[in-house]
Amino acid sequence: AQSVAQPEDQVNVAEGNPLTVKCTYSVSGNPYLFWYVQYPNRGLQFLLKYITGDNLVKGSYGFEAEFNKSQTSFHLKKPSALVSDSALYFCAVREAANYGQNFVFGPGTRLSVLP
Amino acid sequence: SQTIHQWPATLVQPVGSPLSLECTVEGTSNPNLYWYRQAAGRGLQLLFYSVGIGQISSEVPQNLSASRPQDRQFILSSKKLLLSDSGFYLCAWTIGASGTETQYFGPGTRLLVL
Repeated sequence: AQSVAQPEDQVNVAEGNPLTVKCTYSVSGNPYLFWYVQYPNRGLQFLLKYITGDNLVKGSYGFEAEFNKSQTSFHLKKPSALVSDSALYFCAVREAANYGQNFVFGPGTRLSVLP
Repeated sequence: SQTIHQWPATLVQPVGSPLSLECTVEGTSNPNLYWYRQAAGRGLQLLFYSVGIGQISSEVPQNLSASRPQDRQFILSSKKLLLSDSGFYLCAWTIGASGTETQYFGPGTRLLVL
């Protein structure tokens, strides 16, 4: 069965500092991995995804994520955090070989960027 | 471009009353459609998904039901709401079945059952 863990419930970072939001996954085969962001009382917005190829994926709003197969991780990063990045972040996984499987979402990590 | 709409945006309903939430997608055909519930601003629980008109799969047994009367319309219903039905309901869509497609979400409906 697929699963996603986001080990940090809350991440605090100062504006201008780099940020990392962690995600680890478990699937039987190859994963398709996604990051979403949610602002208060809004739907989830897609940031980026890893399907295949380069392990470093660049996405919206200056975010990037690195796929690490040996560590089964897909951490979200940004070189310089903005106060406006404060939001709830979700990692999601689908198993590549199982087309019928739906998305499995992690529990979310709340990011607070302090001015 | 594709857009997804949900209404109402917010809803306050008494326990035992019926529910109908609507989701529509514009700008695409034959989407896969999903209903999620999010409690207390945290994780998402998949409730239903549909790959076509009249085709509904339920992920969690409960007093909710879903219907897809038209290609781009997905409705979430209940005959009698429970307090535990309160939450943020999100509709989402994808196109295709390769597994690589991105899932896009609507703005959500906040439901408060009193």
